[in-house]
Amino acid sequence: ETGVTQTPRHLVMGMTNKKSLKCEQHLGHNAMYWYKQSAKKPLELMFVYSLEERVENNSVPSRFSPECPNSSHLFLHLHTLQPEDSALYLCASSQDVILWGQIYMNTEAFFGQGTRLTVV
Amino acid sequence: AQTVTQSQPEMSVQEAETVTLSCTYDTSENNYYLFWYKQPPSRQMILVIRQEAYKQQNATENRFSVNFQKAAKSFSLKISDSQLGDTAMYFCAFMKHLIIQGAQKLVFGQGTRLTINP
Repeated sequence: ETGVTQTPRHLVMGMTNKKSLKCEQHLGHNAMYWYKQSAKKPLELMFVYSLEERVENNSVPSRFSPECPNSSHLFLHLHTLQPEDSALYLCASSQDVILWGQIYMNTEAFFGQGTRLTVV
Repeated sequence: AQTVTQSQPEMSVQEAETVTLSCTYDTSENNYYLFWYKQPPSRQMILVIRQEAYKQQNATENRFSVNFQKAAKSFSLKISDSQLGDTAMYFCAFMKHLIIQGAQKLVFGQGTRLTINP
């Protein structure tokens, strides 16, 4: 198995649908991320979970709802999306080392293959 | 805030040639990491090479090497003896060395689409 697995690989949904994206990491990492990759734009960080606690929410609309039930799984729940939400959604994980207090040392991120989402 | 700029949207070279992809960044941090990620048509982002800012020696990984110029905030990727399998989008990325929980993680450039022609 690859280190970070995302399902489904492709998803087409209507604006009134509710769907979920799933990410699973087999690397023993303690941090997981959702990124959005749109055409001709840099990757945008959406959410960060560190030790199963959401620590970052970059002004993402509420129609995107993340869930991290444990350190190996991450979900992105979708509802009432807009056509401009069509993009590649990438999940990533990393092992953050807690040095002291809330000071963390980063390590590199490992990515899944993404879910190509099309909103019609 | 940190920014990463890749000024070459597309590049194309012949197989076996050497190609250099450019990247500049802006930060007030002194300690940080820089990365080059490769995204082939399979879409998975794969780490190609990593550089720690406090190390003066340029990182190398087989055919891949970087030219890290800290003062100029430049981080270019050189691919030697290019192969067809090197065809992909290449992203330059920045990450702080130390963060306070909740701070920004990876910051990516816009990417360079590299095509290796037979």
